[in-house]
Amino acid sequence: GQNIDQPTEMTATEGAIVQINCTYQTSGFNGLFWYQQHAGEAPTFLSYNVLDGLEEKGRFSSFLSRSKGYSYLLLKELQMKDSASYLCAVSHGDSNYQLIWGAGTKLIIKP
Amino acid sequence: DTGVSQDPRHKITKRGQNVTFRCDPISEHNRLYWYRQTLGQGPEFLTYFQNEAQLEKSRLLSDRFSAERPKGSFSTLEIQRTEQGDSAMYLCASSRGQGQPQHFGDGTRLSIL
Repeated sequence: GQNIDQPTEMTATEGAIVQINCTYQTSGFNGLFWYQQHAGEAPTFLSYNVLDGLEEKGRFSSFLSRSKGYSYLLLKELQMKDSASYLCAVSHGDSNYQLIWGAGTKLIIKP
Repeated sequence: DTGVSQDPRHKITKRGQNVTFRCDPISEHNRLYWYRQTLGQGPEFLTYFQNEAQLEKSRLLSDRFSAERPKGSFSTLEIQRTEQGDSAMYLCASSRGQGQPQHFGDGTRLSIL
């Protein structure tokens, strides 16, 4: 079956670094997306990985290992506004449009 | 690029009533998706359009749910005879194509009394 696992909740300190992991088991793989979702708002796109390695975009970086079915989102210099849920979604081989979504990781930033 | 627009933002209705939500995608996006999301969960896929063609509707939650995209631009999602369990956030997203990120609207929050 298709499955994505993320930790339910994480806590980090303002100014620090946090890594949010995502593991997936899907039939085929066409890319992995990370989204940020603040409470009561829609998800907003953060990053897309289709090849192995690290993609850096400002304070946020995303890593992919296709052989391990593993990705992480790295957030540096944490700010209070980074408190949100972070969703991992995989574009799988059975579909050219449907994403499999994780339940999201709620990140709590403390001063 | 004005983003994906959804209307209304909030809908409160009595059980048994019909409701219709509208989504206006980003103009150059030919793919449109509807999702449902409940608290603490990721988006749950409902249906997908490529231009005006509804290419996937088997995930619609029951025959009370239907969606249209008559001219390949805006889309509507209708829920007939609403039930308590239909209370959720209904999200619309659009994208250019495979491998391209889906951009979401602000959603319609449905509350069934």
